[in-house]
Amino acid sequence: DAKTTQPTSMDCAEGRAANLPCNHSTISGNEYVYWYRQIHSQGPQYIIHGLKNNETNEMASLIITEDRKSSTLILPHATLRDTAVYYCIVRGNTPLVFGKGTRLSVIA
Amino acid sequence: EAQVTQNPRYLITVTGKKLTVTCSQNMNHEYMSWYRQDPGLGLRQIYYSMNVEVTDKGDVPEGYKVSRKEKRNFPLILESPSPNQTSLYFCASRLQGAGEKLFFGSGTQLSVL
Repeated sequence: DAKTTQPTSMDCAEGRAANLPCNHSTISGNEYVYWYRQIHSQGPQYIIHGLKNNETNEMASLIITEDRKSSTLILPHATLRDTAVYYCIVRGNTPLVFGKGTRLSVIA
Repeated sequence: EAQVTQNPRYLITVTGKKLTVTCSQNMNHEYMSWYRQDPGLGLRQIYYSMNVEVTDKGDVPEGYKVSRKEKRNFPLILESPSPNQTSLYFCASRLQGAGEKLFFGSGTQLSVL
């Protein structure tokens, strides 16, 4: 079973920051938080991952709370192309288990 | 270019006719995996392989076979396809380790009539 809880859907205005929350209250000390997204029926695309510290790359920022029980994915300037299903996954050295994700709609 | 390549992209077949979906990666990844995606059910893992000659069942292995004779290839075999195996299939690979990201192929849309 997926170990994360995400809102089913969210809307975001184009050009604004999209903040996608994820709860993972049962996360273990050796488990990473991963974010992937899937645009329509394409293969899921890796976005970012982290263990304890906040992370940033060219696509997004990942903010992990100090107790590691929740995190937020931030797309700083959302575009229409960011419309997708976003999956938050926690994983140690085990297979990746996908939940239902959050359907993000970026609106012009 | 680093990638996971699946073939074919689309496949229509009939019940009972054996088929193979190929998957190849050029990143020297130890770990490879197959997922299927169905509306309302999300992505579910079929089989995975931690390395050559090592395979394990995922959440929905019934009706599927896999083999891992070479590091780069991980074919998915349907010995006797049935209509309930109509689905979108994805192959994925990564390096071993908890902090390694998974790379996905473009998918294979299979229809079993």
